[in-house]
Amino acid sequence: DVKVTQSSRYLVKRTGEKVFLECVQDMDHENMFWYRQDPGLGLRLIYFSYDVKMKEKGDIPEGYSVSREKKERFSLILESASTNQTSMYLCASSYPGLAARGDEQFFGPGTRLTVL
Amino acid sequence: AQKITQTQPGMFVQEKEAVTLDCTYDTSDQSYGLFWYKQPSSGEMIFLIYQGSYDEQNATEGRYSLNFQKARKSANLVISASQLGDSAMYFCAMNSGGGADGLTFGKGTHLIIQP
Repeated sequence: DVKVTQSSRYLVKRTGEKVFLECVQDMDHENMFWYRQDPGLGLRLIYFSYDVKMKEKGDIPEGYSVSREKKERFSLILESASTNQTSMYLCASSYPGLAARGDEQFFGPGTRLTVL
Repeated sequence: AQKITQTQPGMFVQEKEAVTLDCTYDTSDQSYGLFWYKQPSSGEMIFLIYQGSYDEQNATEGRYSLNFQKARKSANLVISASQLGDSAMYFCAMNSGGGADGLTFGKGTHLIIQP
């Protein structure tokens, strides 16, 4: 059974702290993604990676960075957390070439981050 | 740039009725994919259905079908015989044909099925 796990379901941090959100997939997927979800805004793409050590900016990368040292692990880093980064963060992965399902993305359970 | 528009923030539907959730999209790509995801109150994102831009037939997955009207840039989700368990947020999304560049999501529709 496919599985994407995220290190925490809930996280509370202080303004200015460095925050790491970890995502691990066990499906040997090439592509991994980080989104944030806010009420009324849907999901927005922060960063994605199509290979180890590769990263690409999404639609809202400001204030974030990522790391992908191993194929199965994709980390989102908030260098200096701010209150406007309070949100639900969702990680996803996909394998290119599953044409019948259009590179369907498999999502983790999400991390609800609160920055005080 | 791609854009997804979902114009129904919320919908109330009687159990066993059919439901249509609206989705329009905008893209300059010739090759693209359209997706619908369901997000129950528990928070997980559940893949429902996919339509490729070159697929001539509308996609179907059990009670879900995607009404794809390419000229109108429309990709509405139809749920037949709705059930109480269908109550959830529904997101329309798209990507380019390559698939590796992430999904662009709409703002979602909150569907509530009433007994």
